[in-house]
Amino acid sequence: KQEVTQIPAALSVPEGENLVLNCSFTDSAIYNLQWFRQDPGKGLTSLLLIQSSQREQTSGRLNASLDKSSGRSTLYIAASQPGDSATYLCAVASGGSYIPTFGRGTSLIVHP
Amino acid sequence: DAGITQSPRHKVTETGTPVTLRCHQTENHRYMYWYRQDPGHGLRLIHYSYGVKDTDKGEVSDGYSVSRSKTEDFLLTLESATSSQTSVYFCAISEAGTGSSGDTEAFFGQGTRLTVV
Repeated sequence: KQEVTQIPAALSVPEGENLVLNCSFTDSAIYNLQWFRQDPGKGLTSLLLIQSSQREQTSGRLNASLDKSSGRSTLYIAASQPGDSATYLCAVASGGSYIPTFGRGTSLIVHP
Repeated sequence: DAGITQSPRHKVTETGTPVTLRCHQTENHRYMYWYRQDPGHGLRLIHYSYGVKDTDKGEVSDGYSVSRSKTEDFLLTLESATSSQTSVYFCAISEAGTGSSGDTEAFFGQGTRLTVV
């Protein structure tokens, strides 16, 4: 059974800091890993998708890496802004039906 | 944005009543999933479908049933709603990739907030 862990569970930082969010998974036989953002009371917004054959993906100030063999991914946020405040979720797709399995998320607050 | 519509978006129902949530997609994706999201638990898989009339249980399937009579619709039914089923429900879709790595991506609906009183 795939299990996904996200560390830290919560993070509060001043504006401008560079951040690293961590995601680990127990079964390395994955198809892909997705990072999502969720604002309070809202749905999931896909930020980055890393296919199993890829090592990293970048979008603006976001960079996600994947080390499948060690079962780890990191989401790097450069020059954080108050608008980055949200919960960040990591999900890995595995199994015959590509089932996404989620971590519990990292709740991020960036204060001015 | 992927074409996924969940209905209703909000519902309040009484304990013991049946409730059906609908997920409708316009992407013709093969795989569909129902999750529930609760504080402290993250998103947990309830049921999923790998084709028309093909479904299977997820991690928290007790008290829920599903049906998929056509590719575009995946229904989640609470036969007799309980207060423990108060939650936010998300539907997702996915398709098998065509690349050598089996590349694929999951897309999520906007969620249904269900309150059982």
